[in-house]
Amino acid sequence: AQSVTQLDSQVPVFEEAPVELRCNYSSSVSVYLFWYVQYPNQGLQLLLKYLSGSTLVKGINGFEAEFNKSQTSFHLRKPSVHISDTAEYFCAVSDRDSSASKIIFGSGTRLSIRP
Amino acid sequence: SQTIHQWPATLVQPVGSPLSLECTVEGTSNPNLYWYRQAAGRGLQLLFYSVGIGQISSEVPQNLSASRPQDRQFILSSKKLLLSDSGFYLCAWSIRGTSGRGGTKNIQYFGAGTRLSVL
Repeated sequence: AQSVTQLDSQVPVFEEAPVELRCNYSSSVSVYLFWYVQYPNQGLQLLLKYLSGSTLVKGINGFEAEFNKSQTSFHLRKPSVHISDTAEYFCAVSDRDSSASKIIFGSGTRLSIRP
Repeated sequence: SQTIHQWPATLVQPVGSPLSLECTVEGTSNPNLYWYRQAAGRGLQLLFYSVGIGQISSEVPQNLSASRPQDRQFILSSKKLLLSDSGFYLCAWSIRGTSGRGGTKNIQYFGAGTRLSVL
């Protein structure tokens, strides 16, 4: 079984400042890792994914994340945030061998950008 | 390209009334389909998933049921709504089984959601 822990429920940041949203996972099997973003009253949009290969993955809107297997982490970063990045961010994990492709989501981190 | 549609976008229902939320996917065939609920200030809880027509797996015991009458149609239902059924309901799809390579089958794509208020 897998689990995902997002350590911060809310992260306030000033505009143009860097941000890191933390995510740790637990799994006894190999996994794929994802970050999704949810803007108010909308569905979830895939931000980036780690499937294999380079541990540093780049996504949309200037975000990137680094897979660290030894620390079982997949932290999300952006060097300079914008007001439009205000949203909730979900880290997620999926068992590589799951035939139903089920995903386990973290509880989310609400990113608020201050001008 | 593939698209996923959910309706209605918002719904206000009295306690004890029935519920039917519909989700359809276009541009792909044989998808896996999922229903999630997102309670206020909380993460996503997987309610049901389906790997084929008529094949429904329930993740948590509850007042809801799901059906898949057609390949790309997924319906969430209840005979009698409870106050605790309020929340944001999301439908999602993914490529089925081994059709996707290198992990692409594990990527889920979400609809816009239905906000349900039970009063």
